[in-house]
Amino acid sequence: EPEVTQTPSHQVTQMGQEVILRCVPISNHLYFYWYRQILGQKVEFLVSFYNNEISEKSEIFDDQFSVERPDGSNFTLKIRSTKLEDSAMYFCASARDSITEAFFGQGTRLTVV
Amino acid sequence: AQRVTQPEKLLSVFKGAPVELKCNYSYSGSPELFWYVQYSRQRLQLLLRHISRESIKGFTADLNKGETSFHLKKPFAQEEDSAMYYCALSVSTGNQFYFGTGTSLTVIP
Repeated sequence: EPEVTQTPSHQVTQMGQEVILRCVPISNHLYFYWYRQILGQKVEFLVSFYNNEISEKSEIFDDQFSVERPDGSNFTLKIRSTKLEDSAMYFCASARDSITEAFFGQGTRLTVV
Repeated sequence: AQRVTQPEKLLSVFKGAPVELKCNYSYSGSPELFWYVQYSRQRLQLLLRHISRESIKGFTADLNKGETSFHLKKPFAQEEDSAMYYCALSVSTGNQFYFGTGTSLTVIP
């Protein structure tokens, strides 16, 4: 069964450093998403991406964040200058279209020290 | 503003007992409601959505617009139901979900 895969599973970075979280969505999916979950808190929407552009983003997704689909298979989330409060589990998801089920990856745990 | 509330962080029931996981939402329009489940060391996966009106793994959920609720129910809990359950609300096409804080269900053998 096709799966959304995310790498790495755990990333430790120093405050102020740039990080790139990688996701390989399911191959025939057209909609892509990033969510995050700070430890003990709810899963929060960050951004949705369709047709090579951001379709929606939340207040969390400020200028420090960017997304890209560089090569038709990967979908990346970049945090330009990490802060301690960026420490969280980041989930990638993809969907075939805008109204069907979104499939989630296993998540990348980002720890900013 | 949209909000999903799951009042119980932890819920324990005995095997074979009925289980109900509560979810309330606030949204002025017509929402789409979902239940996602996360088993230990596995990814978030869709359990059911209200528009499907189906029963998955014995679970059902009915959207009650009057009470703005979407409680998840199962008449006889099984040990394999132990997991984290998230209620989610979508207010537009595009899978932009608003998640509740989740309820950790433990089914005691």
